[in-house]
Amino acid sequence: GENVEQHPSTLSVQEGDSAVIKCTYSDSASNYFPWYKQELGKRPQLIIDIRSNVGEKKDQRIAVTLNKTAKHFSLHITETQPEDSAVYFCAASRHNNDMRFGAGTRLTVKP
Amino acid sequence: NAGVTQTPKFQVLKTGQSMTLQCAQDMNHEYMSWYRQDPGMGLRLIHYSVGAGITDQGEVPNGYNVSRSTTEDFPLRLLSAAPSQTSVYFCASSDENTIYFGEGSWLTVV
Repeated sequence: GENVEQHPSTLSVQEGDSAVIKCTYSDSASNYFPWYKQELGKRPQLIIDIRSNVGEKKDQRIAVTLNKTAKHFSLHITETQPEDSAVYFCAASRHNNDMRFGAGTRLTVKP
Repeated sequence: NAGVTQTPKFQVLKTGQSMTLQCAQDMNHEYMSWYRQDPGMGLRLIHYSVGAGITDQGEVPNGYNVSRSTTEDFPLRLLSAAPSQTSVYFCASSDENTIYFGEGSWLTVV
């Protein structure tokens, strides 16, 4: 089955700086790569996703890049704000009902 | 449109007890799944279903049973609870593009 690795496990940045979280996956047939944000005690919420026919996708301050050859994808958050502090999960799947998640990155944005 | 509804939100069980976590969705999604979340381990897939009458095992199915008699409901049963099953459980349903999670069920087995 699919195996997703995520780095780093914790990340601390100064407000206004950029944050980058990286994930690798093992199944070359995976074609859907979402990112979730989870605040303490809450459910994971989808923040951005990318499919395998696209190399990059942006939505305001967040972007995701995908390198299919190397089987890795990354989340980029620019101009970080304290409200960006949360745990972020990457995931990979061939279809939505068998999605595998990374172990998560705890992002702290210091004011 | 309530989305994905899970009950109970909190539960304490004694070792060996059984219980069922309920999950219902009102989005007419064919795909439903159960995940457990443990510190430092992300979300791990327990069981999933691609439609009524069809279920399959995920990464960590041992100790859990599921059934899917209707499109709306996907209950998760713990047959004989163990302390290792102390976790946060998330039910999810999905369309072709997006997974929608329930609010989570915090389960403690003592």
